Amino acid sequence: GAVVSQHPSWVICKSGTSVKIECRSLDFQATTMFWYRQFPKQSLMLMATSNEGSKATYEQGVEKDKFLINHASLTLSTLTVTSAHPEDSSFYICSARPSHANTEAFFGQGTRLTVV
Amino acid sequence: AQTVTQSQPEMSVQEAETVTLSCTYDTSESDYYLFWYKQPPSRQMILVIRQEAYKQQNATENRFSVNFQKAAKSFSLKISDSQLGDAAMYFCAYLNYGGATNKLIFGTGTLLAVQP
Repeated sequence: GAVVSQHPSWVICKSGTSVKIECRSLDFQATTMFWYRQFPKQSLMLMATSNEGSKATYEQGVEKDKFLINHASLTLSTLTVTSAHPEDSSFYICSARPSHANTEAFFGQGTRLTVV
Repeated sequence: AQTVTQSQPEMSVQEAETVTLSCTYDTSESDYYLFWYKQPPSRQMILVIRQEAYKQQNATENRFSVNFQKAAKSFSLKISDSQLGDAAMYFCAYLNYGGATNKLIFGTGTLLAVQP
């Protein structure tokens, strides 16, 4: 089956620093990847849609300068949380949709970010 | 805009019994997909079952089956012979491929507890 690897699984960073989260599709190419944020006991909130070779599309209310998304290849998208603050602490999940196929997207295992 | 509603924040079932999780959605589209995802404590999103709207036959995957009522815009999940490993958060999701919102729309989730 299709595998999406997200790295790191958890990260602790100091307030004011930036942290990068990677999302890789291991055995398929993904033109489109999605980044979600999830608070405890809540649903997944879509932050942005990442398209290979073009700018990401951000959902309303998501600061694009705060959450930088780069999708430089068909197998890798990155989310950088810039100048992180404690309120950015959350669980971040990516998903990747195979190119040229109308199938569901496959999810990474998520990254727990804690900003201290 | 499309919406997905899960009216049961929490459900409980005895091991080996059957439980049904409810989901309703709202859309003006005729062609779309519906999904049930499971999120165990590990927080990895796992696809449980998929239903294409153009198919009248209800999807089935082993102990998991759906009751898809297109006219009523209802998509419930039935779990038979419940097992302890079924305990998780369950999310209903909607997707309209190629539509203006080519992204998953999630419900708020139902937390399922399985009692031994």
